[in-house]
Amino acid sequence: GEEVAQTPKHLVRGEGQKAKLYCAPIKGHSYVFWYQQVLKNEFKFLISFQNENVFDETGMPKERFSAKCLPNSPCSLEIQATKLEDSAVYFCASSSTGQLGQPQHFGDGTRLSIL
Amino acid sequence: SQQGEEDPQALSIQEGENATMNCSYKTSINNLQWYRQNSGRGLVHLILIRSNEREKHSGRLRVTLDTSKKSSSLLITASRAADTASYFCATPSGSARQLTFGSGTQLTVLP
Repeated sequence: GEEVAQTPKHLVRGEGQKAKLYCAPIKGHSYVFWYQQVLKNEFKFLISFQNENVFDETGMPKERFSAKCLPNSPCSLEIQATKLEDSAVYFCASSSTGQLGQPQHFGDGTRLSIL
Repeated sequence: SQQGEEDPQALSIQEGENATMNCSYKTSINNLQWYRQNSGRGLVHLILIRSNEREKHSGRLRVTLDTSKKSSSLLITASRAADTASYFCATPSGSARQLTFGSGTQLTVLP
């Protein structure tokens, strides 16, 4: 499609439960990025993919967070054993290349609320 | 981590006035980008300025870059109520050019 599509829009989980978020990048875009936005301002980079390969995962909390981008499937971000501090809006973005200056196209995010 | 600070944190103006937002960054950059975020939505790319450029225009937007001061400004002229949003500066970094964002300016344009 022509837009980055993220599902669900809202996700509510009890502390300790699993949460799984999905992202369909723009067709033809090779790079996918996941960001976490806390408190309406601070954006934190989590992980990036080049096609189905992890490109940079320096922002990922190692223990509970995992992500995949498999061929012919939406990309996913999964959080095991969620904590209150995981409450945030998670954004997916895609770009056609990884070249410097390539604008990123963002989805509207998934708001994750951990109760 | 955040690249730097944006100021002001919040700005409220009347429709028709100009709005200026400033961004400071910490590391050397190849380019700097500005994005807009409407409430409840994702970021929308507005404009990019390269490190060898000092000023760039796009419609009602004017961006300046001062690499010696590690700062950039975004000017929105003749603002409209529809310009109400948060504005973020961002610089590409890392092996996959992920974006590092400023802290954002919340702009409110009153009709």
